[in-house]
Amino acid sequence: EPEVTQTPSHQVTQMGQEVILRCVPISNHLYFYWYRQILGQKVEFLVSFYNNEISEKSEIFDDQFSVERPDGSNFTLKIRSTKLEDSAMYFCASSDRVEDGYTFGSGTRLTVV
Amino acid sequence: AQSVTQLGSHVSVSEGALVLLRCNYSSSVPPYLFWYVQYPNQGLQLLLKYTSAATLVKGINGFEAEFKKSETSFHLTKPSAHMSDAAEYFCAVGYSGNTPLVFGKGTRLSVIA
Repeated sequence: EPEVTQTPSHQVTQMGQEVILRCVPISNHLYFYWYRQILGQKVEFLVSFYNNEISEKSEIFDDQFSVERPDGSNFTLKIRSTKLEDSAMYFCASSDRVEDGYTFGSGTRLTVV
Repeated sequence: AQSVTQLGSHVSVSEGALVLLRCNYSSSVPPYLFWYVQYPNQGLQLLLKYTSAATLVKGINGFEAEFKKSETSFHLTKPSAHMSDAAEYFCAVGYSGNTPLVFGKGTRLSVIA
């Protein structure tokens, strides 16, 4: 069964450093998403991406965040200057149609120290 | 704005007992509804989905959910709990046009031997 792949599975970074989280969505999906889950809390939407541009973003997705699809297969989330409160599990997801639901990756656990 | 409420952050049942996890949504238009399961240190896996066909939806691992428009509910049930069902369960709502899925806060299911 097709799956969404995320790397790395765990990243530890110092406050103020840049991190790039990588995702390979399902190849025939058109819509891509990043969500995050702070430990023990709800799954929060960050950004959606369609047709090579951001289609929607949440208040969390401020100027420190960016996304891109550099080569038609990878989908990356960059955090320019990490803060302690960015520590969370980051999930990538892709879908073909919303009524089919999203397929999520296994997540990247980001720890900012 | 759409929202999802999951009653009970933690539900504990005995092995073999009925599982009932509650989900209510707020919406003025017909929604798509989903239940996802998250096992420890893993991503979100789609359990089942409602997309305006049958109101009683069957999913994986013996789970099912019933869409009740009059009650704006989509409760998840399983007749007989197994130890392997212990996980976090998330209800999510989506709409046509690919607005991002909105997740509830999750319900942690514990199964007692």
